[in-house]
Amino acid sequence: GQNIDQPTEMTATEGAIVQINCTYQTSGFNGLFWYQQHAGEAPTFLSYNVLDGLEEKGRFSSFLSRSKGYSYLLLKELQMKDSASYLCAVFNNAGNMLTFGGGTRLMVKP
Amino acid sequence: SAVISQKPSRDICQRGTSLTIQCQVDSQVTMMFWYRQQPGQSLTLIATANQGSEATYESGFVIDKFPISRPNLTFSTLTVSNMSPEDSSIYLCSVREDSNQPQHFGDGTRLSIL
Repeated sequence: GQNIDQPTEMTATEGAIVQINCTYQTSGFNGLFWYQQHAGEAPTFLSYNVLDGLEEKGRFSSFLSRSKGYSYLLLKELQMKDSASYLCAVFNNAGNMLTFGGGTRLMVKP
Repeated sequence: SAVISQKPSRDICQRGTSLTIQCQVDSQVTMMFWYRQQPGQSLTLIATANQGSEATYESGFVIDKFPISRPNLTFSTLTVSNMSPEDSSIYLCSVREDSNQPQHFGDGTRLSIL
């Protein structure tokens, strides 16, 4: 089976940096996705890591360590609109499916 | 990325009735999936919609309750049968163009059962 853990909630200040961690245990790992989901909306794709290391995309970066079963999403220069849930999802190539963690609800305060 | 159109966007239904949700993609995609997201929860995979054959259901979901069709590479339907208040949820269609591409989501169908 698969087990994906991420914090339930986080709070940060506008303009600051926040790191959202995700740990996973799975067989047949073939990549990790991060999604952003605003309340009442569908998830939108943020990043995809399949190899170890850091992927940077504007204010958002995502890191993966396959040996540690660990990833994080780093958000810089936080804006109020970044208040949303952030979902970590693991792609299992054996089953060709994406399994989601419980999501981290981020609240950005002025 | 593919444009995914899902309808209806929302509905309020009576207990015991059934509703069919449609998912249309503007390009041919290899993989299509149906997810459920209950209030305050993350996404749970219901099934993988296989083109031209029966869908592959995850544990806890059965074909009689959630029949799925996928007649071609751009279209799929999910039916929620004999609905009860516990089925109140958001149902999301998701596609992946191939195994090396990100998976994208439709806008979802917000379903409330009275």
